[in-house]
Amino acid sequence: DSGVTQTPKHLITATGQRVTLRCSPRSGDLSVYWYQQSLDQGLQFLIQYYNGEERAKGNILERFSAQQFPDLHSELNLSSLELGDSALYFCASSVGTSPEQFFGPGTRLTVL
Amino acid sequence: AQSVAQPEDQVNVAEGNPLTVKCTYSVSGNPYLFWYVQYPNRGLQFLLKYITGDNLVKGSYGFEAEFNKSQTSFHLKKPSALVSDSALYFCAVRGTGGSYIPTFGRGTSLIVHP
Repeated sequence: DSGVTQTPKHLITATGQRVTLRCSPRSGDLSVYWYQQSLDQGLQFLIQYYNGEERAKGNILERFSAQQFPDLHSELNLSSLELGDSALYFCASSVGTSPEQFFGPGTRLTVL
Repeated sequence: AQSVAQPEDQVNVAEGNPLTVKCTYSVSGNPYLFWYVQYPNRGLQFLLKYITGDNLVKGSYGFEAEFNKSQTSFHLKKPSALVSDSALYFCAVRGTGGSYIPTFGRGTSLIVHP
């Protein structure tokens, strides 16, 4: 158990809908990272937050957004969902900008 | 830009035999290198890292990795494979300056046969 929690574990929704994925980092970790894992694209970095502020952006679509709250939990919002958004979404956390990341169990999103 | 190549989609090995999962990287400056393992329906678990120092790094579950600067490689090894080692293995690299975000390889599926 990495100490990073993600909810929900599974999410099934329809095209055009909006969903919110939630992540709680390890106690004391200030950095939260979001990744998307799909069979054809591998593990893709989406976005990083550090102590409430956006720190780095990767291959995140404009339909996706995220935020980190004062209690350091983070939410990833996915809107106008398309079939191709079906994937595993992982959250990871680290102590500051430490190179070592700890991953949550993931949320499997299925868009029908 | 930084990049990671895992040239083998799948590695097959018999239980008890040594295993190697290959990784090569490209990064500006000195690298931070990592190996993660992912079991089915689970998140990635940290195995080991190279930051500086000894080129042979020992990690969890009997795994080790050798950093080779001239060949820009960081191959994962284990002297004696177990069936329970069967999983997806990811190599990742991060530079020591600039972006703090690691780049992951596409993963190598390790299958250990009884």
